[in-house]
Amino acid sequence: AQSVTQLGSHVSVSEGALVLLRCNYSSSVPPYLFWYVQYPNQGLQLLLKYTSAATLVKGINGFEAEFKKSETSFHLTKPSAHMSDAAEYFCAVSRAGGGNKLTFGTGTQLKVEL
Amino acid sequence: GAGVSQSPSNKVTEKGKDVELRCDPISGHTALYWYRQSLGQGLEFLIYFQGNSAPDKSGLPSDRFSAERTGGSVSTLTIQRTQQEDSAVYLCASSLQGHPTDTQYFGPGTRLTVL
Repeated sequence: AQSVTQLGSHVSVSEGALVLLRCNYSSSVPPYLFWYVQYPNQGLQLLLKYTSAATLVKGINGFEAEFKKSETSFHLTKPSAHMSDAAEYFCAVSRAGGGNKLTFGTGTQLKVEL
Repeated sequence: GAGVSQSPSNKVTEKGKDVELRCDPISGHTALYWYRQSLGQGLEFLIYFQGNSAPDKSGLPSDRFSAERTGGSVSTLTIQRTQQEDSAVYLCASSLQGHPTDTQYFGPGTRLTVL
């Protein structure tokens, strides 16, 4: 079985401040981890993914995430928030033998304030 | 290139009616997935098609839900005798080969409202 926990259903940051969205996973086998973003009334778009190569993964729009096995975490960061980053962010996990179906966290709504 | 498309974008139906939701995956993608997004349940997996293999139906919530994929391309999700708890956004995604590391590309979804 696999699961993902996202701490904080709502996160608010000031424009230009650091963005940190937390994701912890549980998996009985090595996981593959994904961050997706969803803008209002749109589908999900991949930000980045961890596929067991480099533990520090860089994605689109300046986001990055670090896979930490010892902490079972895959937190998403961005050094400087922009107004356009306001959206809902989902962490997801898949695993070998799991048919590539994604198990999602409950999502974090990011608000960026002036 | 064209992404995943879904139709209709919105569907309002009465309790007890059947509905069909359509998904056109990205051309050449062999894997296709249906997910459901609702306020109470978040994003949950429904069903997965990979090539000519038997679909993984492990996420379907009841036998009122079924899906098919014709010719390895277009997929239809059917909900029979709709209930109010079926109200949700139904998302379709496709990926190149169905490997666990493949990126899944999502469509814009169909918002289903059951009155």
